[in-house]
Amino acid sequence: EVQLVESGGGLVKPGGSLRLSCAASGFTFSSNNMNWVRQAPGKGLEWVSFISSSSTYKFYADSLKGRITISRDNAKNSLFLQMNNLRAEDTAVYYCARDPWGGYSFDHWGQGTLVTVSS
Amino acid sequence: QSALTQPASVSGSPGQSITISCTGTANKDVGVYDYVSWYQQYPGKAPKLLIYEVSNRPSGVSNRFSGSKSGNTASLTISGLQAEDEADYYCSSYTTSSTLVFGGGTELTVL
Repeated sequence: EVQLVESGGGLVKPGGSLRLSCAASGFTFSSNNMNWVRQAPGKGLEWVSFISSSSTYKFYADSLKGRITISRDNAKNSLFLQMNNLRAEDTAVYYCARDPWGGYSFDHWGQGTLVTVSS
Repeated sequence: QSALTQPASVSGSPGQSITISCTGTANKDVGVYDYVSWYQQYPGKAPKLLIYEVSNRPSGVSNRFSGSKSGNTASLTISGLQAEDEADYYCSSYTTSSTLVFGGGTELTVL
């Protein structure tokens, strides 16, 4: 069974940093592109970042570019999102999602981890 | 990147069919690639993939859900509406900037 489990969320002050993790199991992690998607409270989905299976390609949403870094460790079946200089508008549930077909379609999602940016 | 345009809400009675539209930006996203997806989301839950690459259904998704595209507009049709279909629906599309854009979401009410 495919499982994605996010962790690392929490309360952080504006300007602070967080590193989110996503532990993958039940599939060949190293063969799949992965993404982060977020959802602010009561709002819609917003794509955050993409990383290809071997980390060759990384793409970021314009709204976050320069403040986030996506990475992965295929040996540990893990995906990461380093977020710096956090702002109140970054408050959201952050999901990791698997992209098995390479067309930015996400067939499996984690349960999400909540990031709250507040003083 | 501007969000794709979806109606904020749609409604229908059990057994009816409804269609949710998703309009992109010319030469940027929906009309350029066949990488349009649709998701269903219940409150407090993670999204579920319904349709990928415009019209393909993942294994396990009911054939009551179908997708199509014409020009810059994609559509999700739900036939034989059921009470359990009441949820939020989101479209997404790959873009010419190698990014992904979502629609603003559509709340479906089953009357």
